[in-house]
Amino acid sequence: NAGVTQTPKFQVLKTGQSMTLQCAQDMNHEYMSWYRQDPGMGLRLIHYSVGAGITDQGEVPNGYNVSRSTTEDFPLRLLSAAPSQTSVYFCASSYRSVAGDTEAFFGQGTRLTVV
Amino acid sequence: KQEVTQIPAALSVPEGENLVLNCSFTDSAIYNLQWFRQDPGKGLTSLLLIQSSQREQTSGRLNASLDKSSGRSTLYIAASQPGDSATYLCAAPSISNTGKLIFGQGTTLQVKP
Repeated sequence: NAGVTQTPKFQVLKTGQSMTLQCAQDMNHEYMSWYRQDPGMGLRLIHYSVGAGITDQGEVPNGYNVSRSTTEDFPLRLLSAAPSQTSVYFCASSYRSVAGDTEAFFGQGTRLTVV
Repeated sequence: KQEVTQIPAALSVPEGENLVLNCSFTDSAIYNLQWFRQDPGKGLTSLLLIQSSQREQTSGRLNASLDKSSGRSTLYIAASQPGDSATYLCAAPSISNTGKLIFGQGTTLQVKP
């Protein structure tokens, strides 16, 4: 029962470096999304996807890119890391039932520090 | 803009107390609501999903209710234990049904032995 798998769990970057946070789900969910969690700010949506090949911006998209070439994978790319991107990043996948209910499942998070 | 609010932000109770965590939301058109638990430095664990056809859902000592007409949900924890200490988050799906979740700020619960 893998669910939603995020890698890496921890990462330290230097300002200006780029990297990709990986997210994979094995539940065949149509929806996937990325959130960042900062003290006092709660969870904020970065980007989301409603299916393979379809992505859109969330509340705080600047400095991040996403793509979704398969149902299973939804990587988040930091183009040029900045200290303001120091945060904990969570990936989620969800499905919508016939009745319209949505249930979300989260990965264990990636703790990113940009120095 | 959809918003979710949780009150109180923090709560400290002695072991054994029954307690209620509150969650309010601005859009009564939501289908369902989900409660999560987050331990320090950890991810989000889903506790309860209250579906559109339900008014409440129970799991062990936890009971969550949903009243869409008043825009409120409550999470009731019976006979609290120190192991219940964590942050509890409620989340409502975006009414655009794109899989996005709107989170409250969370209630940090401390249960003292």
